[in-house]
Amino acid sequence: GQSLEQPSEVTAVEGAIVQINCTYQTSGFYGLSWYQQHDGGAPTFLSYNALDGLEETGRFSSFLSRSDSYGYLLLQELQMKDSASYFCAVCMDTGRRALTFGSGTRLQVQP
Amino acid sequence: EAGVAQSPRYKIIEKRQSVAFWCNPISGHATLYWYQQILGQGPKLLIQFQNNGVVDDSQLPKDRFSAERLKGVDSTLKIQPAKLEDSAVYLCASSLETGTDTQYFGPGTRLTVL
Repeated sequence: GQSLEQPSEVTAVEGAIVQINCTYQTSGFYGLSWYQQHDGGAPTFLSYNALDGLEETGRFSSFLSRSDSYGYLLLQELQMKDSASYFCAVCMDTGRRALTFGSGTRLQVQP
Repeated sequence: EAGVAQSPRYKIIEKRQSVAFWCNPISGHATLYWYQQILGQGPKLLIQFQNNGVVDDSQLPKDRFSAERLKGVDSTLKIQPAKLEDSAVYLCASSLETGTDTQYFGPGTRLTVL
């Protein structure tokens, strides 16, 4: 089977930096993605890692360690609009490319 | 570029009734996915289409759920008969056949089964 673990909730203040961790156990692994979902909204793509290391996209960065089955999403200069749920998702098969999502981390940014 | 379209946005039915959801993916996207998202959980894949063929339906409860993607564009997901535990948001997503694994999600259909 497969499982992804991430914290259920994280709270931080505006302007701060927050890291959301994700560990996974899957029968196969192709890449790790991160999606953001505001309440009542659709998940939107943030970043993708297929290789070890850090990927940076503006205020968001994502890290992957394949040997540790671990990744994280780093959000810098937090803004109120970053309050949302963040999901890590594993692609286990390059042919299918379907995603298996974690249960999500609810981030609350406080003033 | 238009996004993934879904309808209806909300649906309330009684258990044992039938319901259908419609999805129109982004133009040119060969791959289409249906996910079920129960409140407080991550999306769970129900079925994946590549053009009009099924790639993966291993998590689709086939005794009550069915889906089709005629002509490789629009798709319909049906539940018949519905159960209370089917209350969830049904998300449609699409992606290019090749390239990154980015999936583009529609706004979803929120189903309430009473």
